[in-house]
Amino acid sequence: ETGVTQTPRHLVMGMTNKKSLKCEQHLGHNAMYWYKQSAKKPLELMFVYNFKEQTENNSVPSRFSPECPNSSHLFLHLHTLQPEDSALYLCASSPVSSGGGADTQYFGPGTRLTVL
Amino acid sequence: GQNIDQPTEMTATEGAIVQINCTYQTSGFNGLFWYQQHAGEAPTFLSYNVLDGLEEKGRFSSFLSRSKGYSYLLLKELQMKDSASYLCAVTTDSWGKFQFGAGTQVVVTP
Repeated sequence: ETGVTQTPRHLVMGMTNKKSLKCEQHLGHNAMYWYKQSAKKPLELMFVYNFKEQTENNSVPSRFSPECPNSSHLFLHLHTLQPEDSALYLCASSPVSSGGGADTQYFGPGTRLTVL
Repeated sequence: GQNIDQPTEMTATEGAIVQINCTYQTSGFNGLFWYQQHAGEAPTFLSYNVLDGLEEKGRFSSFLSRSKGYSYLLLKELQMKDSASYLCAVTTDSWGKFQFGAGTQVVVTP
């Protein structure tokens, strides 16, 4: 139990569906992240939020739309996805990202997404 | 380009020692992390190195050489529960931008 929860844990959707992934952290952190993990590939950073502001968009297609209403919650809205978007989507949080030393990131268990 | 390399898979027997190497080529360096990830679970933090040398935490140790762009994770007295994927990650700034290797699957056999 890392203090970061994600729902749903599994999701199957068609290419025309719209769905959302939810992440919540109970650690009092101010930075939150979305990653994509595909089989045999490195984790790919998608988005970074610091103090609710998006500070990184790693060339992610617009069919993925993040939302961070407050420092504890992060959403990833999905629409018109492709089969190659099937992967494990991981959320992470870290205490502070305001310059200086690197902060450890704490991960949620992920949402296993399958796009048919 | 930026690159982080680690072996795909390693096998070792219970009670043995395994060393997982990680080499990196990045534009900038602000620390190297090791994470453990069991199948279907969240990656969990193991260690952090920012200065050269060895960091020891119980059965796990991590080493860093910044001049060589090299780190290793040493797992001693292997247990069956250590069977997992081990992820090397480098951060190049202070703003949470991690770059991960593809992970090393460690298989511990009886």
